[in-house]
Formats: sequence, structure tokens, C-alpha cells
Amino acid sequence: QKEVEQDPGPLSVPEGAIVSLNCTYSNSAFQYFMWYRQYSRKGPELLMYTYSSGNKEDGRFTAQVDKSSKYISLFIRDSQPSDSATYLCAMSTRVYSSASKIIFGSGTRLSIRP
Amino acid sequence: DVKVTQSSRYLVKRTGEKVFLECVQDMDHENMFWYRQDPGLGLRLIYFSYDVKMKEKGDIPEGYSVSREKKERFSLILESASTNQTSMYLCASSWTSTRTSSYNEQFFGPGTRLTVL
Repeated sequence: QKEVEQDPGPLSVPEGAIVSLNCTYSNSAFQYFMWYRQYSRKGPELLMYTYSSGNKEDGRFTAQVDKSSKYISLFIRDSQPSDSATYLCAMSTRVYSSASKIIFGSGTRLSIRP
Repeated sequence: DVKVTQSSRYLVKRTGEKVFLECVQDMDHENMFWYRQDPGLGLRLIYFSYDVKMKEKGDIPEGYSVSREKKERFSLILESASTNQTSMYLCASSWTSTRTSSYNEQFFGPGTRLTVL
């Protein structure tokens, strides 16, 4: 079983729809939960991160972490064609030691139809 | 703006060749990473370095080695390229976190798509 599972999609929705992207994980020691966005032919870039559990909002994007269910979500409101990209969830235990590593999900390809 | 550059966007090599992938960052980051990205498998860590001349194995180090002689440069070496090393290779860099609640973002380069024939 992979430590982080992510539905690969592809997911296609009309412009303006609410998008929900999800990941599940098995390692209860994860404390840092990140979402990266990757446009075609580019490297991933950090979209949002959450430490421990709870919600975090940034404009049209909301990240949720449910540690009891080992489940994280990214919601995109009022989706735009420019949101079309691959979204990767990522998780880590400690990030302030030389041994810290990030485990990435396989990514969900999202397409927003105009 | 943080910038991570990789020496090539596309590379085609033959089986058995020695391949060098170069990565340079301009933000004085302590940590540098090499990943490979394959469909359905996501990003997998090959090696990382937390200081000059220091390196640690990631999840899939077999068939690879690395070199970090200067803080800004991290090289990935395929000693004898094989077809199963055909992949997208991504370099990243980050600072070292000093606070528990603070996540230090990994900044990625644009990637090198390597094809081994």
C-alpha cells in the first residue's frame, strides 16, 4: 500500500464549478500537508500548506485536513480555465531535520472547460 | 524570485552512457533534492543534500549518484544509463526550517525529460 493515495483523474469540470481534490494517507506521523500545482511542462509550485489539522483558506482555494480519517482535501471555488493543471498532494513528518522527506501523491489532472 | 535551473529540458541518451544532470539554485538554500516523476507514480525522491558535500539516499537511489561541490549546484549522475531510467527528472531546493509549524517550501526547476534508447 502506498503511503499517499491520490485519484489520478483526469477530472473535467465546467468553468465556475466547485472542484474537490482528495488524498488519503496511511502514516499517522504526517504533520505537514501540502498541495502543489504543476502546469504542463513546468515544475510543481506550492499552492498551500497546512500544519497539523484544520482548514486553511486562500482566495478561491481551501485546504482541509482530517487527521482522524487520514484524509485531506483541496477545494477550488469558481474554477477558472487557468486552474487547469495537475494537482499533487504532499505530506511530511518533520521538515527541520536533515532526514525529513516529503511524500507526494501521484497527482490529479484537472481540466476546466470554458 | 527564487530560481532553480536545470541544464537541459530534453535529453536523449543511449543505454550504457554516463549521464550528468545539473541543477543550480540562486537563493542560497541549504537543501537540494533530485526527484523523478513517472505517470501513476508521482514524484519519487532519488537523493537529497542538506549541505555541501553531504548527501542522503532517498527512496530510489539505485543506479544514481550525486555530487554537491558547491552550495548552489547539485548534480545527478547516471553511471550507466538504462531504459528504465527514462523519466522526467526534477530538481528542487529549500531552506531548513527553524520553527515546528513552519514549512519551508521546496522550489522546483522546470525538469529534464530524459529518454534512454
